[in-house]
Amino acid sequence: QSALTQPASVSGSPGQSITISCTGTSSDVGSYNLVSWYQQHPGKAPKLMIYEGSKRPSGVSNRFSGSKSGNTASLTISGLQAEDEADYYCCSYAGSSTFWVFGGGTKLTVL
Amino acid sequence: QVQLVQSGAEVKKPGASVKVSCKASGYTFTSYYMHWVRQAPGQGLEWMGIINPSGGSTSYAQKFQGRVTMTRDTSTSTVYMELSSLRSEDTAVYYCARDRNTLWDWGQGTLVTVSS
Repeated sequence: QSALTQPASVSGSPGQSITISCTGTSSDVGSYNLVSWYQQHPGKAPKLMIYEGSKRPSGVSNRFSGSKSGNTASLTISGLQAEDEADYYCCSYAGSSTFWVFGGGTKLTVL
Repeated sequence: QVQLVQSGAEVKKPGASVKVSCKASGYTFTSYYMHWVRQAPGQGLEWMGIINPSGGSTSYAQKFQGRVTMTRDTSTSTVYMELSSLRSEDTAVYYCARDRNTLWDWGQGTLVTVSS
């Protein structure tokens, strides 16, 4: 069982928006502004899409956005495209004992 | 550009050890911590630990304490992850990832298969 809880799957049609939630606790997501989101295509390494809750690395489309409220972080993808179909993982710093924790991952299907 | 190049796939027997390497280039090796993460087949990502390439200090996830050792060689800008007492559940792809207050750049992954 993963430390952070994500829905197993979400889906949307091209052009639509979807949101993936990531629920943690006051010991991880709720305490630190260090939530990140990763996109992983089959057989590939994860790719950083969002860091520090809402920041995008250079080169990542502005269709990807992140937010946080309390112990829950969210990733929103707007204007869905076929290439967005992938697995998405959230990750949070959890302090100097546990360090870093991941969500179980969410499979995004573009219909 | 930053590159993290990992060693090739390994097949090990239960009870054996495996040592995976991650060679860094494109940045100052000693300026950034390095994480190790693994992913079992069809499963999610699991954080294993982190090493400071500058002084060599390490922090490990509790689950792997006593079985994992992370080291580095500053002369070759390479970090290593050794996992001992392997069992079938350790079959996974192992990744290194450079730290920038998150897991920023990732290696290509190394498949470790544990099978008798």
